[in-house]
Amino acid sequence: DAGVTQSPTHLIKTRGQQVTLRCSPKSGHDTVSWYQQALGQGPQFIFQYYEEEERQRGNFPDRFSGHQFPNYSSELNVNALLLGDSALYLCASSLRDIQPQHFGDGTRLSIL
Amino acid sequence: GQQVMQIPQYQHVQEGEDFTTYCNSSTTLSNIQWYKQRPGGHPVFLIQLVKSGEVKKQKRLTFQFGEAKKNSSLHITATQTTDVGTYFCSSNTGKLIFGQGTTLQVKP
Repeated sequence: DAGVTQSPTHLIKTRGQQVTLRCSPKSGHDTVSWYQQALGQGPQFIFQYYEEEERQRGNFPDRFSGHQFPNYSSELNVNALLLGDSALYLCASSLRDIQPQHFGDGTRLSIL
Repeated sequence: GQQVMQIPQYQHVQEGEDFTTYCNSSTTLSNIQWYKQRPGGHPVFLIQLVKSGEVKKQKRLTFQFGEAKKNSSLHITATQTTDVGTYFCSSNTGKLIFGQGTTLQVKP
């Protein structure tokens, strides 16, 4: 039973570029949430997808967008990258929204 | 919006000593979830507390939810080196609102 899988594991981009991160939820889960974790900080909620729609959103600018596909997998897109976007991006899945969330290993994004 | 504060930020203990981390909110929480993140790893769900005054145990770990549902604690008895990591409390309202975490270091 595969858990949450994320790709790629590491990524290096330059300022102004765009990036797409991918996530496959744990089998049986239908809700995907994305978090940004800066070094030494707790994860910060970006947004959550359920039934292919964004259901909740945290305090992140419109440069951060996402998508959920019919098979429940999800993408996180970030446009016009800034140095401050360097972080670990975590995807978490759950069955519905308030159940415990299962996290993937994350994508480490570095902006030069 | 809802916020949870955690103390202490760091704790260094000798193996075998006890450890406690506290989580506080200014608003009533519908639930508390605790997660552990090992260095270089991702958060792993430990437990969820829902009821006022609830106490749950997992081997050497004891979790409490306050009577007013505004605070919670995690206590580890006789720490081991495998307990090393950052412990986060979070309120789950669909989105997880994480505290800052308490990083535990255990000296063997």
